[in-house]
Formats: sequence, C-alpha cells, structure tokens
Amino acid sequence: EVQLVQSGAEVKKPGEYLKISCKGSGHSFAGYEIAWVRQMPGKGLEWMGIIYLGDSDGRYSPSFQGQVTISGDKSTNTAYLEWRRLKASDTAMYYCATQEAGKYDALDIWGQGTMVIVSS
Amino acid sequence: DIQMTQSPPSLSASVGDRVTITCRASQSIRTYLNWYQQKPGKAPKLLIYAASSLQIGVPSRFSGSGSGTDFTLTISSLQPEDFAAYYCQQSSSAPHTFGQGTKLEIK
Repeated sequence: EVQLVQSGAEVKKPGEYLKISCKGSGHSFAGYEIAWVRQMPGKGLEWMGIIYLGDSDGRYSPSFQGQVTISGDKSTNTAYLEWRRLKASDTAMYYCATQEAGKYDALDIWGQGTMVIVSS
Repeated sequence: DIQMTQSPPSLSASVGDRVTITCRASQSIRTYLNWYQQKPGKAPKLLIYAASSLQIGVPSRFSGSGSGTDFTLTISSLQPEDFAAYYCQQSSSAPHTFGQGTKLEIK
C-alpha cells in the first residue's frame, strides 16, 4: 500500500528552527511531486508549494516564498518543510500529499498531518 | 493567482437529500478542477479530479461537472457519512489554490 507518513507534532517557541518530514512508502517516489498544504486552526486549505523528488527543486506559492523551504531526498523517499525562524502565525496543521500528474495534478495520497504549535 | 469562490459556505441538509456545491474560478481553468472531502481531525480525501472523474473507491452518488470557470459537486442522496467539509481546488496554474470550503451539516 502506497502511503505518506509525516513526522510527529511539534511545540516550539517563536524564533526557533523547525524541519518536518513526509516519508513515502510502498513505492518509489523519485518520480513524484509532493505538495505541502497548510490548514490554520478552524480554517481552509492553502497550497504552499511543491517538490519534485527527482531533482529536489522546490516551487512555492508567492504567499509562502521566503517564509519556508521545501526540500527532498529521493534516496529516502522523503520530503521536508523547514522554517528558519518560526512565528506564532505558523501555528497550523501541515499536510503533505502526492500531486498526481495522471490525475490533472490532483492531490491523491495524503499524509496524516503534522500539527505545529508556536507559542511563547 | 487564480481565485476560487465556493458556495455556499455552509449547508444544512437531511439524509437522502440531493445537494449541490458550486465553485467558480476567476479565470478559465479548463477542467483542472478537483474536489476533496475532509472530516474533522482527518486529512482531506480526493473525491473527484479533472472536474468529473471519480476517484477509485468513491461512491457513485458523488459526481462533478463543469468546465472553464463554473463547476459543481453533486451528492445525489446524502448518507450519514457524507457530513463533512468539501473543498474545490484548481490545478491549472500554480499556485494551485483552494476554495474557502463548504461545511455540510445535518439538518
């Protein structure tokens, strides 16, 4: 069974560094694009950006460009989302998902989500 | 960015009802329109892609239609497990923006 497994919940202070992960299993994800989606508490879904694991080149929504770094490691089927200096407004659930070219780039397989809480 | 406007924001309905949710794009997205269902505390689930293609395993009471700028998701006969939030998403042009969501509640 193909699945994405995300790293566990995080509680951090403003200004701290954080990197969360999304690991694919059951298939080689080297040819896949992995998207990151933010969901702030009680709010809707926001597409943050995407990484092609084959070349580890992240592409970003303008809303998130410069705020986060998306990276990947095809040897371990893992995508990452990184913040150099967290803010309270980064508190949210973060999902990764495969962007399936054969399904018009729909987000096909989802991780279970990583809750990030940023509070002093 | 392409703006996606979903309506209504919330909807109350009964088991067995036929329900329609609409999504409008700020410019043509051809049929690059996807629908997701999200239940509380769970990750979203893909229901329909390419405006009208049913994801494997999704019940046939769900259907999608539309092209260009106007799209609909229809649930032909609501079941108890269908009460959830629904989101449209365009995947025509990055960033692949979502609609604001529709919360479907039990009447």
